[in-house]
Amino acid sequence: DAGVTQSPTHLIKTRGQQVTLRCSPKSGHDTVSWYQQALGQGPQFIFQYYEEEERQRGNFPDRFSGHQFPNYSSELNVNALLLGDSALYLCASSLRSGVYNEQFFGPGTRLTVL
Amino acid sequence: QQPVQSPQAVILREGEDAVINCSSSKALYSVHWYRQKHGEAPVFLMILLKGGEQKGHEKISASFNEKKQQSSLYLTASQLSYSGTYFCGAAPPSQGNLIFGKGTKLSVKP
Repeated sequence: DAGVTQSPTHLIKTRGQQVTLRCSPKSGHDTVSWYQQALGQGPQFIFQYYEEEERQRGNFPDRFSGHQFPNYSSELNVNALLLGDSALYLCASSLRSGVYNEQFFGPGTRLTVL
Repeated sequence: QQPVQSPQAVILREGEDAVINCSSSKALYSVHWYRQKHGEAPVFLMILLKGGEQKGHEKISASFNEKKQQSSLYLTASQLSYSGTYFCGAAPPSQGNLIFGKGTKLSVKP
């Protein structure tokens, strides 16, 4: 049973560029959440996708957008990159109808903006 | 509102016990606990629901005081593999996202 997978593992971009990160949820899961984790901090919620729609959003600007596909996989897009966007981006999947709704995290994508 | 974790860091010898606390100023539906090792993804440890239900690893125990909006994670007879940063994630009612604390760094020495 494959867990949550993310690609790429690492990415280096320059300010002003755009980036797309990808996530495949754990088998059987239908909900994908994205988090940003700065060094030494806890993960911060960006947004959550279910049934191909953004259901909830954290305190992040519109430069951060996403998409969920019919197979439940998801993309996170960040436009006009800033130095402060450098972080570990984590994807977590869950089953919306589950009683416990535990979220399982992928290994993350380390984004460095120069 | 970000939950507050305490202590910020703790150092243990193998076999010693530790308690990590998490408190929120807002009403919670559930509390989730994760452990993250350096350079790795957070690993699910335990979830506690309002009403007393919980699910997690056998060797991990935790409590959830709904009145005080506080949760505690109990680590007994610690092993070297317990080292890492522990995060609590608070889930407000009717919301699927988690709001994480700043973490508690646990170091277990031989």
